[in-house]
Amino acid sequence: EIVLTQSPGTLSLSPGERATLSCRASQSVNSNYLAWYQQKPGQAPRLLIYGASSRATGIPDRFSGSGSGTDFTLTISRLEPEDFAVYYCQQYGNLYTFGQGTKLEIK
Amino acid sequence: QVQLQESGPGLVKTSETLSLTCTVSGGSISSSSYYWGWIRQPPGKGLEWIGSIYYSGSTYYNSSLKSRAAISIDMSKNQFSLRLSSVTAADTAVYYCARDAGGAGATDYWGQGTLATVSS
Repeated sequence: EIVLTQSPGTLSLSPGERATLSCRASQSVNSNYLAWYQQKPGQAPRLLIYGASSRATGIPDRFSGSGSGTDFTLTISRLEPEDFAVYYCQQYGNLYTFGQGTKLEIK
Repeated sequence: QVQLQESGPGLVKTSETLSLTCTVSGGSISSSSYYWGWIRQPPGKGLEWIGSIYYSGSTYYNSSLKSRAAISIDMSKNQFSLRLSSVTAADTAVYYCARDAGGAGATDYWGQGTLATVSS
């Protein structure tokens, strides 16, 4: 089983700042099948990024994904108030596993 | 627009079987392009993949559930279902059904989720 470790656990930033979230895999992710999701309280997760760097339909271009192999990054270029939420990475190259999440909170 | 809706009892007794159904609308569950899966989230915790099914009936499960999970598909009703046996309080969670597009788009559509509580 591939284990995904996200860091930091909590990120405190202000609107307008840049956010960088990390996801590290215990072994290489097949075909870079790495996705990022945003989840707000009481809602289902929302797909942001798939294939490590492809934005899902309707996702603003301030969200970008990068990385390959075992190290992946989600960057939010300029935080909007609605971006404060919990973010999960998921690998789907070898069955499916999720990271434990990063909470992005308002500073 | 694809929509998924979970249904099933909100309360299950310890040691019994949790049964949930996901009804898919706006798309066919018999498409060869997608897998259909179940994911759960205990209160205040992270996401855990339970298992997935292909239209052919092939299934894949999280090994941590130790064969307690069973997913089936009913193409005539455009539904798929989850059965989780021998439940304990640790199985209390919001259960989501979802569509998986694999390399073409990961887990792109989710149901709203349904809370299943296990209690004696």
